[in-house]
Amino acid sequence: GAVVSQHPSRVICKSGTSVKIECRSLDFQATTMFWYRQFPKKSLMLMATSNEGSKATYEQGVEKDKFLINHASLTLSTLTVTSAHPEDSSFYICSSFELAGETQYFGPGTRLLVL
Amino acid sequence: LAKTTQPISMDSYEGQEVNITCSHNNIATNDYITWYQQFPSQGPRFIIQGYKTKVTNEVASLFIPADRKSSTLSLPRVSLSDTAVYYCLVGDKGRDKIIFGKGTRLHILP
Repeated sequence: GAVVSQHPSRVICKSGTSVKIECRSLDFQATTMFWYRQFPKKSLMLMATSNEGSKATYEQGVEKDKFLINHASLTLSTLTVTSAHPEDSSFYICSSFELAGETQYFGPGTRLLVL
Repeated sequence: LAKTTQPISMDSYEGQEVNITCSHNNIATNDYITWYQQFPSQGPRFIIQGYKTKVTNEVASLFIPADRKSSTLSLPRVSLSDTAVYYCLVGDKGRDKIIFGKGTRLHILP
């Protein structure tokens, strides 16, 4: 199946700093990517839909100024957690489907720990 | 977006066939049914997708009755490495954002 990568795989940062997470589609073009957050023993929670060349669409309760999303090309979307706090510590996962595709593929996830 | 209901957890033994059923009473005409597998600290992995009747691939089968209000993922001869969380999702494939339910935590015992 299609491959989606994320970088970094894990990051530890101090409270108050910003962290950028990249999501790339390696062998296909993606006009839309999705960002999820997952807490331990919980299901994935959709945060936002990232659209290439336009503003992201955020789910209810997700602060768009806190979680900045940029989808500047057909193969790259970035999620920036601004002024991170310990409660932002979580597992962040992106997904996408091919332009003419039928199935969503998920990245391996990024583990964020804010101290 | 159709809501799904699955058992919270299941236990089985190595070598057994495991069937996980998912209810999706409000599935729409254009919706497909997709199952994902997730291991700890990894992203979900696509297992199988179908619209109606039966679909089979190298790892699983998916049974969908005529009314499409439920579906059953069948894993033949499971092994310890099949211990994971399995998610049933419905949506207009390739178009809808996916909203995850709670999933089924499958535990395979030796």
